[in-house]
Amino acid sequence: GDSVTQTEGLVTLTEGLPVMLNCTYQTIYSNPFLFWYVQHLNESPRLLLKSFTDNKRTEHQGFHATLHKSSSSFHLQKSSAQLSDSALYYCALGGGYKVVFGSGTRLLVSP
Amino acid sequence: DAGVTQTPRHEVAEKGQTIILKCEPVSGHNDLFWYRQTKIQGLELLSYFRSKSLMEDGGAFKDRFKAEMLNSSFSTLKIQPTEPKDSAVYLCASTGGDGEQYFGPGTRLTVL
Repeated sequence: GDSVTQTEGLVTLTEGLPVMLNCTYQTIYSNPFLFWYVQHLNESPRLLLKSFTDNKRTEHQGFHATLHKSSSSFHLQKSSAQLSDSALYYCALGGGYKVVFGSGTRLLVSP
Repeated sequence: DAGVTQTPRHEVAEKGQTIILKCEPVSGHNDLFWYRQTKIQGLELLSYFRSKSLMEDGGAFKDRFKAEMLNSSFSTLKIQPTEPKDSAVYLCASTGGDGEQYFGPGTRLTVL
């Protein structure tokens, strides 16, 4: 079945350093939708980025990601981490009849 | 447009009680999801409806968890009987045509 793998459970960074959160997926669906959701403390997840176009960079709020179907990846990146980026990030896969979420990566940014 | 609404926001139950959580999806959305979220397990899918039809009932959650969607604008999640391990945040989400999930504020359940 469909699955999403986020290899890092916790990423700790110093403010100003680049961010990269990994996401790979498995699906039989040829045109998957990939999503990144962000969840701040005491809030619900909300959409950060989405893409269904191969090799096209998608950007929002300083974050970017590129769907690479050849490697089944959709890594989340940002050039310079901010304290306010501390949150839980979920990668998710759609395209079948439901959305499948990864296990989440907690990002902690310190001064 | 109103987003996804969930009630109550907080619920405290004694072990063995029956509780019912409520969700109203975004108007016009056809898909509705119930999730349980804990720090250890992350997001776990409990139930999934498409156009009011139950598509997935969450496997391991079948025995004490029952979700229903009586009409396109209202869904309930019943937990019967509750156990302390059910303490978690229960999230409802609805999805439009592009697959983006809109989450409600959640219900924080504590079972004593």
